[in-house]
Amino acid sequence: DGGITQSPKYLFRKEGQNVTLSCEQNLNHDAMYWYRQDPGQGLRLIYYSQIVNDFQKGDIAEGYSVSREKKESFPLTVTSAQKNPTAFYLCASSIIGSANEKLFFGSGTQLSVL
Amino acid sequence: GENVEQHPSTLSVQEGDSAVIKCTYSDSASNYFPWYKQELGKRPQLIIDIRSNVGEKKDQRIAVTLNKTAKHFSLHITETQPEDSAVYFCAARAGGGADGLTFGKGTHLIIQP
Repeated sequence: DGGITQSPKYLFRKEGQNVTLSCEQNLNHDAMYWYRQDPGQGLRLIYYSQIVNDFQKGDIAEGYSVSREKKESFPLTVTSAQKNPTAFYLCASSIIGSANEKLFFGSGTQLSVL
Repeated sequence: GENVEQHPSTLSVQEGDSAVIKCTYSDSASNYFPWYKQELGKRPQLIIDIRSNVGEKKDQRIAVTLNKTAKHFSLHITETQPEDSAVYFCAARAGGGADGLTFGKGTHLIIQP
């Protein structure tokens, strides 16, 4: 079960507040991803990073920001600009290369608005 | 960008029967098609994947087929068991490297005893 850890498991945000979700992996994976999961909507890509100090926007990046200062860590900040932040957030990592593209997911963070 | 459609959204089958979940994709450059299973309260896990140079792949009771011309791929589960109950997601990715996957909206598979 280990390898990629998300915290906290539950998070509450007040109006106008920024909150940061943590994601750490000890798998030595180069690539890391953030997905948002809403009921009946599948998983939608927010941001991803292939290397330290570099990241790309996914399909729904507006209202979110990320950083990749260390290979092991890829925190996601949900800013006050994200008007509908309530969702289940999943972090994932993978090895780069066509031979092995499996995503390893964390256990997720449920974010709710107070 | 890529768009993945998945059907049905809910599928109920009798234990021991087969289940089929279908997905279509829009980007003809997509070349990697994984399937993930998410049990209630747990993280998604890869169960099988297929690349565009292969038409079919099997792993015990699970198989995936790919039709590149029609841009659709399907998951087949035979001899279904209670532990197969879960949400299944198909996904597609164009190109190589670490570009993010585009997922379908999921199919809730219910195995009736």
